[in-house]
Amino acid sequence: GNSVTQMEGPVTLSEEAFLTINCTYTATGYPSLFWYVQYPGEGLQLLLKATKADDKGSNKGFEATYRKETTSFHLEKGSVQVSDSAVYFCALIDSTDSWGKFQFGAGTQVVVTP
Amino acid sequence: NAGVTQTPKFRVLKTGQSMTLLCAQDMNHEYMYWYRQDPGMGLRLIHYSVGEGTTAKGEVPDGYNVSRLKKQNFLLGLESAAPSQTSVYFCASSFYYEQYFGPGTRLTVT
Repeated sequence: GNSVTQMEGPVTLSEEAFLTINCTYTATGYPSLFWYVQYPGEGLQLLLKATKADDKGSNKGFEATYRKETTSFHLEKGSVQVSDSAVYFCALIDSTDSWGKFQFGAGTQVVVTP
Repeated sequence: NAGVTQTPKFRVLKTGQSMTLLCAQDMNHEYMYWYRQDPGMGLRLIHYSVGEGTTAKGEVPDGYNVSRLKKQNFLLGLESAAPSQTSVYFCASSFYYEQYFGPGTRLTVT
């Protein structure tokens, strides 16, 4: 079956540091890949997405590239801010799944200190 | 445009009590989902619906029932609450593989 594995947290960084959150996946078909962000006390929000191999998703300074050869979709940001403190979820949906079910990773908490 | 809303935001139940969580979306989405979020376990799919009048089981359906009588509403029911159902519940709707989440309901079963 499909699955998403992401690095465990918490990840603690100083402001302006470089952030990487690793995400790898297994899928039987041709997945679309997503990063969602959850700020404290809120629901998840779509951060970025990529729908085919070698696509790069980007938003709010975050980037992730769909790497089919390594089945990865790592999230990066060059200079984090305190406001980036949140839980980040990697997710996929498989194009062969007609019911549109998403598969989420366990989430990675990121804490950015001033 | 309110997006996805959930009612209530918080609830405390005693073991054995029942309740219904309401999810509403105003985006005319066909797909709707109920998830639970527990520490260290990410999001787990409880039930989902591909359209009005249709529902299907997700990863952790036991102890829950759902109904989708109207396209914009998706109800999650707990007939006899158990402490293991203490969690944060999120509803979502989707369009073209993009999910939109509600703010969540924090449920505590004592």
